[in-house]
Amino acid sequence: EAGVAQSPRYKIIEKRQSVAFWCNPISGHATLYWYQQILGQGPKLLIQFQNNGVVDDSQLPKDRFSAERLKGVDSTLKIQPAKLEDSAVYLCASSLGYQGLWPQHFGDGTRLSIL
Amino acid sequence: DAKTTQPNSMESNEEEPVHLPCNHSTISGTDYIHWYRQLPSQGPEYVIHGLTSNVNNRMASLAIAEDRKSSTLILHRATLRDAAVYYCIQLGGANSKLTFGKGITLSVRP
Repeated sequence: EAGVAQSPRYKIIEKRQSVAFWCNPISGHATLYWYQQILGQGPKLLIQFQNNGVVDDSQLPKDRFSAERLKGVDSTLKIQPAKLEDSAVYLCASSLGYQGLWPQHFGDGTRLSIL
Repeated sequence: DAKTTQPNSMESNEEEPVHLPCNHSTISGTDYIHWYRQLPSQGPEYVIHGLTSNVNNRMASLAIAEDRKSSTLILHRATLRDAAVYYCIQLGGANSKLTFGKGITLSVRP
């Protein structure tokens, strides 16, 4: 089966600019996650969708980050305006269900560098 | 979310077994232990999970202590491709979420 697709693979922007990332989950996976991974740390959950509804966005900096999954399939994560501290890899994952027991399948991420 | 503790790093030789330890002293009766690994420049990859009994799959084995306060991920024959960061995660309840620590970095010597 095809894995989780993410684009772009790399992005370099200046601070205060905006940026968007795209994710296409595995077909049939109802749950979609966005994680932020800062260099040297484990991934941190930003937001979790069940179909097109938000299940958990408690760690999403809502003053600058937004995410949507309009048709319950692919998703976009946006940062506006970007700060230097947003430099990280942004990972998308999907799973069949939202209960914690379902294994999550990750894409290879978008590496964001802020100048 | 509950926390696990792992050594920072471990080295192994190619084609030898590897035992990666994890402590989860605060585990409750319904918490599962999950393992993910992350190869360089890739996203994390699910390895295995278990509750009480030892578990085996094509990638690895998971041995869970009788008191469930610790577990060990076993790679039966390490290859160079197994060099990665391995995350042990304690997961409980229907609404729990994966909380990644720093993991253990496994190096494999040829």
